[in-house]
Amino acid sequence: KAGVTQTPRYLIKTRGQQVTLSCSPISGHRSVSWYQQTPGQGLQFLFEYFSETQRNKGNFPGRFSGRQFSNSRSEMNVSTLELGDSALYLCASSFDWSNEQYFGPGTRLTVT
Amino acid sequence: AQTVTQSQPEMSVQEAETVTLSCTYDTSENNYYLFWYKQPPSRQMILVIRQEAYKQQNATENRFSVNFQKAAKSFSLKISDSQLGDTAMYFCASAAIQTGANNLFFGTGTRLTVIP
Repeated sequence: KAGVTQTPRYLIKTRGQQVTLSCSPISGHRSVSWYQQTPGQGLQFLFEYFSETQRNKGNFPGRFSGRQFSNSRSEMNVSTLELGDSALYLCASSFDWSNEQYFGPGTRLTVT
Repeated sequence: AQTVTQSQPEMSVQEAETVTLSCTYDTSENNYYLFWYKQPPSRQMILVIRQEAYKQQNATENRFSVNFQKAAKSFSLKISDSQLGDTAMYFCASAAIQTGANNLFFGTGTRLTVIP
């Protein structure tokens, strides 16, 4: 069974630009969660999507948004990038809530 | 709200020895899960072990076991017979057991180095 995949793996953007990250969950998994990992703030929950609906949201500004498609693939978008958005963005999938979450390798975003 | 605290930023252990990583948590939830995740230098987060808070018995997975003290809100991870491949960041995490709450709350991590 293929694991969680995230594309791209590395990304460099300029302040003010926007970026879209993609996550393909494990086949059959309906829940996709996104996390931001930084040295200063650690791992923080961004949002979770289940069956194309945002089911839960962390404490991030509206510049961070996401969506989920009918095949459970998810994208997250960050608009008007700031230097502080530089981070490793991790995606995790699970069959449903409270099930084990499987993480992807992450997308390393650098904002210059 | 849930918070997870890992008070040991770094630890080291000799190969084949045993090491214990500490974690305390705070939650207002009645039912919750606790987890230990491992993040090797490759950065792929891997679940090491999971504990349901309503279960008295401590979870074990091969060389990994936990000491779950619910009243003290403590959840430590013991790694026996440490191997070089155990070198990684270890994160303790909690999650509420309720529909619509699939988000993990993570501690700040403990960097474990296994010394040959």
